[in-house]
Amino acid sequence: SQTIHQWPATLVQPVGSPLSLECTVEGTSNPNLYWYRQAAGRGLQLLFYSVGIGQISSEVPQNLSASRPQDRQFILSSKKLLLSDSGFYLCAWSVIRTRHTGTYEQYFGPGTRLTVT
Amino acid sequence: DAKTTQPNSMESNEEEPVHLPCNHSTISGTDYIHWYRQLPSQGPEYVIHGLTSNVNNRMASLAIAEDRKSSTLILHRATLRDAAVYYCILSGGANNLFFGTGTRLTVIP
Repeated sequence: SQTIHQWPATLVQPVGSPLSLECTVEGTSNPNLYWYRQAAGRGLQLLFYSVGIGQISSEVPQNLSASRPQDRQFILSSKKLLLSDSGFYLCAWSVIRTRHTGTYEQYFGPGTRLTVT
Repeated sequence: DAKTTQPNSMESNEEEPVHLPCNHSTISGTDYIHWYRQLPSQGPEYVIHGLTSNVNNRMASLAIAEDRKSSTLILHRATLRDAAVYYCILSGGANNLFFGTGTRLTVIP
C-alpha cells in the first residue's frame, strides 16, 4: 500500500531563517507530487506541483521554492522566512494523469505546522 | 479552473442524513466533480467523485444535476466523526485541484 510521510510535524522558526520541509512517498512510482499551504482559517493554496524528477511548476509567486531530487521525494525550501509563511503545509501525491485515466485522487500527508516568529 | 460555490457552514444532528450542496455553473464538459473532506489538524481525504451519473461508495453518495451545474454530497447517517470541512472541487485538464474554503459541517450529538 502507498504511504506518504512529512516531517517535521511542527516547526517554529524565526523570521529570516531558512526552511526545508521534506515529503516522501512509498509504494508507488512516478507520482505527481504537490505542496499546498493552508493559512489559519483559510482554504488550501496550491504552491507547487511536479510531474517528474526535476520538473516543478509554481502556482504562486513567493519566497518559497521546491525541488524533486528523486522520484518519490519532494522538498519545500526557503532561504529567508517571512511572518506570512506561517501555516499548515501539506504534501500530496496522485497517479500521473493520462488521457485514459480521466481523473485521479490526491492523497495527503499529515502536514507540517510552521510558525514563523 | 472552473469555480465552485458552497455554503460556509452547515449543521446536522447525529444519525440524520446530510445534504451538502455545491454550485458549479461554469463547469465544462470534461470537468470531474470531486469531494474531499478535512478533519481538524489533518490533511484532506478523498470522499467521492463523478462526471455525469450519480455515484455511491462506502463513505457517501454524490448526486449530480442533469445539467451538471450543481451537485450534492449526501452523508446518509451523520456521525460525530463526519464533522469536517467538505470541499467541492472541479478538475479539468490540469494536473491539480483548486480547493476553495469549503463547507464546515458541525454534527450535533
